Amino acid sequence: QVQLKESGPGLVKPSETLSLTCTVSGGFIDSGDDFWHWIRQPPGKGLEWIGYISYSGSTSYNPSLRGQVSISFDTSKNQFSLKLPSVTVADTAVYFCARGVGAIFFDYWGLGALVAVSS
Amino acid sequence: QSALTQPASVSGSPGQSITISCAGTNSDVGAYSFVSWYQLHPGKAPKLMIYDVNKRPSGVSDRFSGSQSGTTASLTISGLQADDEADYFCSSYTTSNTVLFGGGTKLTVL
Repeated sequence: QVQLKESGPGLVKPSETLSLTCTVSGGFIDSGDDFWHWIRQPPGKGLEWIGYISYSGSTSYNPSLRGQVSISFDTSKNQFSLKLPSVTVADTAVYFCARGVGAIFFDYWGLGALVAVSS
Repeated sequence: QSALTQPASVSGSPGQSITISCAGTNSDVGAYSFVSWYQLHPGKAPKLMIYDVNKRPSGVSDRFSGSQSGTTASLTISGLQADDEADYFCSSYTTSNTVLFGGGTKLTVL
């Protein structure tokens, strides 16, 4: 059973970089055909796909995110990470990490981590 | 890219059936058979309910079914139960190798 858990600061100041890590257990992030995604949900709003990194290291990002987001992985720790620079209040959201079958669907999710952007 | 269009809310009584629509374009929903549906309960991890338009993961009740016609997909829940009350989101793979979600639908079981 694959499990995912998000971790990182719950508060980030405007213009700083939001950094989150997802720790995966029950599977290896660089094996199989799995894709590892970040998805967020601003308060009272819908889900927004942020991007993915594949088992081979290829990435794809939501074009609406200003081209600055980056997702990487650390195979030694079985983790993948999100970096979103120059955040604004609009980046306040619950951030989920999820395992994807490609970018087709998401079969395992973390519980989510609330990140507030505020001075 | 605009979000897929879902009704903001639907409701039904226990035992009834409801359908949630998810409207897209020929660049997403209408391009492939890659629509999925997720159930969100507060404080819980989102749960995959339907994938590839109409397939159910192991463990998901057969009261949940999916369909698609052109650029609109639908999720039907039959025999409504109190525990079905949640937010539901559709998702589609796009021709740009990205993912679009719907705005979400709040299901209320009366």
